[in-house]
Amino acid sequence: AQTVTQSQPEMSVQEAETVTLSCTYDTSESDYYLFWYKQPPSRQMILVIRQEAYKQQNATENRFSVNFQKAAKSFSLKISDSQLGDAAMYFCAYRSFDAGGTSYGKLTFGQGTILTVHP
Amino acid sequence: DSGVTQTPKHLITATGQRVTLRCSPRSGDLSVYWYQQSLDQGLQFLIHYYNGEERAKGNILERFSAQQFPDLHSELNLSSLELGDSALYFCASSLALNTEAFFGQGTRLTVV
Repeated sequence: AQTVTQSQPEMSVQEAETVTLSCTYDTSESDYYLFWYKQPPSRQMILVIRQEAYKQQNATENRFSVNFQKAAKSFSLKISDSQLGDAAMYFCAYRSFDAGGTSYGKLTFGQGTILTVHP
Repeated sequence: DSGVTQTPKHLITATGQRVTLRCSPRSGDLSVYWYQQSLDQGLQFLIHYYNGEERAKGNILERFSAQQFPDLHSELNLSSLELGDSALYFCASSLALNTEAFFGQGTRLTVV
């Protein structure tokens, strides 16, 4: 079974600064997807960014980028030019690529990191 | 707005009771997933339906059951409720097994 670990229960950053959230995972699969989801106080789960394991290039979405280290099974999220609206709980998630397996499609989440943005 | 609708948004009920949570997926999405978010267990996968058929089960209690109807909406039934069942229950939908999953706003269940 796959596991996802977020070792930082809480992080804080000053507005306009950069912060990096850490995530490690364990899997025996070679192909999979990794995601970062954001959960603001509204509780809505919002997809921030996704990474396909077979792609060597790190994914980027505007101010959000990842550092994907497949051999180290590490998947960190960097938020640049932090804004007050970035304050939320951030979840790292794993999704199996094995179309024949029963895990296909489901997400395995880490414990989450609460991000506080100071003005 | 993700396009996934969950009702009700809040539910308060007593121990031993039974409730039904409803999820309407995005138009055209065939997959529906249910997740439970609690303080002690975090976000846990419960069950997955694809085009009306159960595809996978996660950490779902025997007191819980789900189904997906021909119009693709899904219901999660929770019975013999206990205090520990208090949680946020999310539904997510995706077009196919390998496409993005979009989450509803969740149903906050409080068992008293």
